[in-house]
Amino acid sequence: DTGVSQNPRHKITKRGQNVTFRCDPISEHNRLYWYRQTLGQGPEFLTYFQNEAQLEKSRLLSDRFSAERPKGSFSTLEIQRTEQGDSAMYLCASSRTGFEAFFGQGTRLTVV
Amino acid sequence: EDKVVQSPLSLVVHEGDTVTLNCSYEVTNFRSLLWYKQEKKAPTFLFMLTSSGIEKKSGRLSSILDKKELFSILNITATQTGDSAIYLCAVFNNAGNMLTFGGGTRLMVKP
Repeated sequence: DTGVSQNPRHKITKRGQNVTFRCDPISEHNRLYWYRQTLGQGPEFLTYFQNEAQLEKSRLLSDRFSAERPKGSFSTLEIQRTEQGDSAMYLCASSRTGFEAFFGQGTRLTVV
Repeated sequence: EDKVVQSPLSLVVHEGDTVTLNCSYEVTNFRSLLWYKQEKKAPTFLFMLTSSGIEKKSGRLSSILDKKELFSILNITATQTGDSAIYLCAVFNNAGNMLTFGGGTRLMVKP
């Protein structure tokens, strides 16, 4: 399967802990996007990478959220000092052209 | 700020019915409009639309874009229970660096 891969699929953490999610995009897709989706809502844009450059990060929800794509391939999204309100599905998508985007299966975060 | 609005919010039909889902948008420098199907997991890509008036078709699903009136429709004919899902509409801005989603239409198809 050469689709977008996200790990882990599920994460349960205690409030105040840090969590990190990984996204492996489709091979040769240089554009990578992170989204958050809560129940009953459409996905909410968080950040965008083109190759290793983070070109759009103004929508990251707070300074507790950060993302990296060090070699222009996989990306990580970290949430520090998690809060119950961070519980959501975190989605990653990749694109070759910027006209279409394909999503991974997501990481469901539960903060207890 | 870019905005995408979908209607109706939810829809209940019976197998065999035809449905039309609506998506209107406001975006700075439009690049493309995408439709996705979401069933309890990540959105699955359905269509990409860039030009007005050209219908995209895949089996019982079809979609068309009107760039003058800033909307798109997704049609599903002869609905089946497997079509039950949330249908999401999204728009890329011109730089392709942000894909803005609508809130989705929840479709339930009853046997």
